Amino acid sequence: EADIYQTPRYLVIGTGKKITLECSQTMGHDKMYWYQQDPGMELHLIHYSYGVNSTEKGDLSSESTVSRIRTEHFPLTLESARPSHTSQYLCASSPPGTGWYEQYFGPGTRLTVT
Amino acid sequence: GNSVTQMEGPVTLSEEAFLTINCTYTATGYPSLFWYVQYPGEGLQLLLKATKADDKGSNKGFEATYRKETTSFHLEKGSVQVSDSAVYFCARGGGSQGNLIFGKGTKLSVKP
Repeated sequence: EADIYQTPRYLVIGTGKKITLECSQTMGHDKMYWYQQDPGMELHLIHYSYGVNSTEKGDLSSESTVSRIRTEHFPLTLESARPSHTSQYLCASSPPGTGWYEQYFGPGTRLTVT
Repeated sequence: GNSVTQMEGPVTLSEEAFLTINCTYTATGYPSLFWYVQYPGEGLQLLLKATKADDKGSNKGFEATYRKETTSFHLEKGSVQVSDSAVYFCARGGGSQGNLIFGKGTKLSVKP
């Protein structure tokens, strides 16, 4: 069982609000990721981090930002939420080392912007 | 483009039917291959994996064999249950950002 947590699980918020989606893992993983999952189920990588103070943008352009001040914590922030940000956001992590290891996923945050 | 291709769903089966979900990939070299499952309202869970050619991953009655000749990693289960209803994602290692590359997902519905 993977120890990766996301809060909140569900969030309904009005346009223009600032929000932060939390993601934490207790496995000591160095690599962490944020995916946006559209209603058609496809996953799009929007941010990733190789470790503390490392953040990069993924394949899909996103207006969100991330930070990685501690190994276990990788929050995602939207400065001004819009209806187009309505989606499911999934956080994941993978262990250190070379090679392509499996990713462990949190339960997701379903965001609705009204 | 996406270098993991899996069969489009939805797939609807009766309980105890045989399941196959096809997955093929394009890659240089021999990346690790994975199947993930996503139950309604949840995140993705690793179902099984294979790290080299001819490896067979298995878990909970599901199996998939790494076939380098056909660049495939098809998911199979001999007798599905209603509780197997979920979305299944095939994935490969080797993404340019150290990530996994996922297929678009296949939704499976199993009827009693």
